[in-house]
Order: sequence, then C-alpha cells, then structure tokens
Amino acid sequence: SYELTQPPSVSVSPGQTAIITCSGDKMGGKYACWYQQKPGQSPVVVIYQDTKRPSGIPERFSGSNSGNTATLTISGTQAMDEADYYCQVWDSSTVVFGGGTKLTVL
Amino acid sequence: EVQLVESGGGLVKPGGSLRLSCAASGFTFSDHSMNWVRQPPGKGLEWVSSISSYSRYIYYADSVKGRFTISRDNAKNSLYLHLNSLTPEDTAIYYCARYYGDYDGFDIWGQGTMVSVSS
Repeated sequence: SYELTQPPSVSVSPGQTAIITCSGDKMGGKYACWYQQKPGQSPVVVIYQDTKRPSGIPERFSGSNSGNTATLTISGTQAMDEADYYCQVWDSSTVVFGGGTKLTVL
Repeated sequence: EVQLVESGGGLVKPGGSLRLSCAASGFTFSDHSMNWVRQPPGKGLEWVSSISSYSRYIYYADSVKGRFTISRDNAKNSLYLHLNSLTPEDTAIYYCARYYGDYDGFDIWGQGTMVSVSS
C-alpha cells in the first residue's frame, strides 16, 4: 500500500519560514492536499492540487510537489499557525494521509 | 451554511456494533462523493471509506474491510457508517468529509463523533 512520510515535528520562530515535507513514491505524479488541524478542531484544507489555496487561506501558505516530495511552506509564520499538518493523496481509489507534522512556533 | 453533522458515537464493548450518521445541509448532497475519516486519540488521520454520489463506487481501508459498511440516502441528505466486530483499535473520532473534485480532496468536514471500544 502507498505510504506518505512526514517529519513528526517542525519548529520555527515567528516571522520565519516553516517548511513541511511529505514524501512518497512518485509523489510528483499525484495531486497533494494539505490540511491544518488545531487542537480540538476538525481539519481544514490549506492547499489543494499541490499549489492552490482555497479562498480564505492566507497567502503565506504555499505548496509545491515534484519528484518524490510535496512541500508545504508557510512564510512569515505566525503564532496562529501552530497546529498539526497532514498531507493527503489518492492512490488506486483509496485515500492516503501522511502521519502528520506538529508545527511549533517558538 | 454548508454543514456536516455527525452523530451516533458512543461506548461499545469489543465485538459490538454501532451506526454512525452524518447529516448534510447547505449543498446538493447528491452531487458529491462522501467519505469517513477517523482519528484515534492523540494520533493522525486515517481514511476509512468513500462512497460515490449515487453509491456506485464504494471503497474501504484494509483495516475495516469486511467489518464496516458505508451507505448514503440522498433523499435524506445523509451518510452512514455501520461498524461491526469492533475492537479497541477502532477507538477514534470519526469524521465525515465531503470530497470536492476541484480540490481532489476534502473541503468540508464535520465536527466528528467519538467511538470508544472498551470492555
């Protein structure tokens, strides 16, 4: 079965750039979504189709996908961005989530 | 307002059964594939099952295949998940989520319903 690998944690200082990776075999050939989940809340999509932002998602969130790695980048990270982030793809009619990355804004 | 509201969770003994429901409102339910995603306490998201708009295509994660059954009633704007032969490993918050084709992902999530399997 297809697997996605994310780092368990990433730390960043306020105002700096946070980079969260999601690795999988031939990942660049699939569309990746990224979800943000804050404690006690349901996930919210922040990036879809690798690079696109839903309306209402700040411009500081961006994405890319190439080779075996999709990347979520948060520029000018704010304290409110502290959350768990999950990547997601479809593979053979099933959905695969990465294990999640806890972003800490120090 | 576009909304998904899950219900039906609770405490059940190992080997028991449960039926979860998800009530949709604010959009044309029959236009969308729907999914169940679960999250064990303190852990990550795990996709459980998906059903196409008119129930033609149904898929399950290997971990629940043969034990869980997804269904929908478009006339009632409702999604269901029947959980059988439950084990403690099925303990999780269960979310229903709307698949949005333009995203190739899930754009709307419910608030979740907690299922606890324990003796």
